[in-house]
Amino acid sequence: QQQVKQSPQSLIVQKGGISIINCAYENTAFDYFPWYQQFPGKGPALLIAIRPDVSEKKEGRFTISFNKSAKQFSLHIMDSQPGDSATYFCAARWGNAGGTSYGKLTFGQGTILTVHP
Amino acid sequence: NAGVMQNPRHLVRRRGQEARLRCSPMKGHSHVYWYRQLPEEGLKFMVYLQKENIIDESGMPKERFSAEFPKEGPSILRIQQVVRGDSAAYFCASSRGQGINRAFFGQGTRLTVV
Repeated sequence: QQQVKQSPQSLIVQKGGISIINCAYENTAFDYFPWYQQFPGKGPALLIAIRPDVSEKKEGRFTISFNKSAKQFSLHIMDSQPGDSATYFCAARWGNAGGTSYGKLTFGQGTILTVHP
Repeated sequence: NAGVMQNPRHLVRRRGQEARLRCSPMKGHSHVYWYRQLPEEGLKFMVYLQKENIIDESGMPKERFSAEFPKEGPSILRIQQVVRGDSAAYFCASSRGQGINRAFFGQGTRLTVV
């Protein structure tokens, strides 16, 4: 119930293509769903995030689609570039019944994205 | 404004030794989170601290691990009597307020136990 399952484990895309990474969760207590980008030897960096009352959020080439009833959310990277090659993690934050959610995140296993030029 | 600073970047310890990992949050940040990343896995929450207080340590192993965030100085994650299974990358993140959406991660400390 605490897991966030991410797929695929690795993804190879041609430059200009669309990269799609999927995540699924079970715990309805999650209240915030961020995506992180991590380059080798670096810490994760917040890329984009969504709350469960929204079905889609777009920032530049990055879009999150959220399906609350299916408990699934996905990251779409349009016009993928070689510079997007990195590991991507989805995550979910534990909500607090008192409304004071903080930073306890459950992460997916990660997707290694390679964009070929 | 420097980012979240973690040191050392790489740490090698023999089994049974102690490991001390330091995290200096960004200026003005008083909230710190520690996460552990095992090889080819996602990050796993360990502990959440505010200055001088442990708020949530539900992800910390019951034995050998401890964390502190004193009034002055960096946050410290301490692992006593390290074992090979402790080998991992340890990341801290800091934020000004409570929300992880405003938190920034450091570059991590890669601990290797030999």
